[in-house]
Amino acid sequence: AQSVTQLGSHVSVSEGALVLLRCNYSSSVPPYLFWYVQYPNQGLQLLLKYTTGATLVKGINGFEAEFKKSETSFHLTKPSAHMSDAAEYFCAVSEGNQGGKLIFGQGTELSVKP
Amino acid sequence: KAGVTQTPRYLIKTRGQQVTLSCSPISGHRSVSWYQQTPGQGLQFLFEYFSETQRNKGNFPGRFSGRQFSNSRSEMNVSTLELGDSALYLCASSLAGRNTQYFGPGTRLTVL
Repeated sequence: AQSVTQLGSHVSVSEGALVLLRCNYSSSVPPYLFWYVQYPNQGLQLLLKYTTGATLVKGINGFEAEFKKSETSFHLTKPSAHMSDAAEYFCAVSEGNQGGKLIFGQGTELSVKP
Repeated sequence: KAGVTQTPRYLIKTRGQQVTLSCSPISGHRSVSWYQQTPGQGLQFLFEYFSETQRNKGNFPGRFSGRQFSNSRSEMNVSTLELGDSALYLCASSLAGRNTQYFGPGTRLTVL
């Protein structure tokens, strides 16, 4: 069965520091991978996605992620954190035979210190 | 284009009651998926509808049901509410299948 593991339920960084949120997945078929962000009392907003092709994916707000098949990872990074990046981040996987079903990781809450 | 809309945004019910939540997808999107979000269990897939047919179902009891109309709008129903059904219910729409899902703001259900 497919699954997603996000290492660290809470990550704290200083403003201007590197953001690294980790995501590992298990999938029996080539996966589609997504990162979503959720601000308090809101729904999920898509940051970026990997389907096929280039393994380094750029998203909105300066975020990017790299698909590494050998490591079954899809870590999210941003070179310089901003206060507005404080939110909860979710990694998700979709398999080809599961249509519109996403499996989510448990989420990582990102705090940004001034 | 307007985004995914969900109504109502907040709902308070008592145990044993039933509730219906509504979701209007982005125009042109034919797939609607529902998710339950709780602090303990995280985000869990409930079911997906495509062209008025349930195509996928998560591991939830039969008290949770849904349907989709010809205009792609979807409703989910929870009967005989339990305290544990208190959650944020999120709806997402996509063009079809594995395409990117776009989420609505959610309906916050509180069961007393």
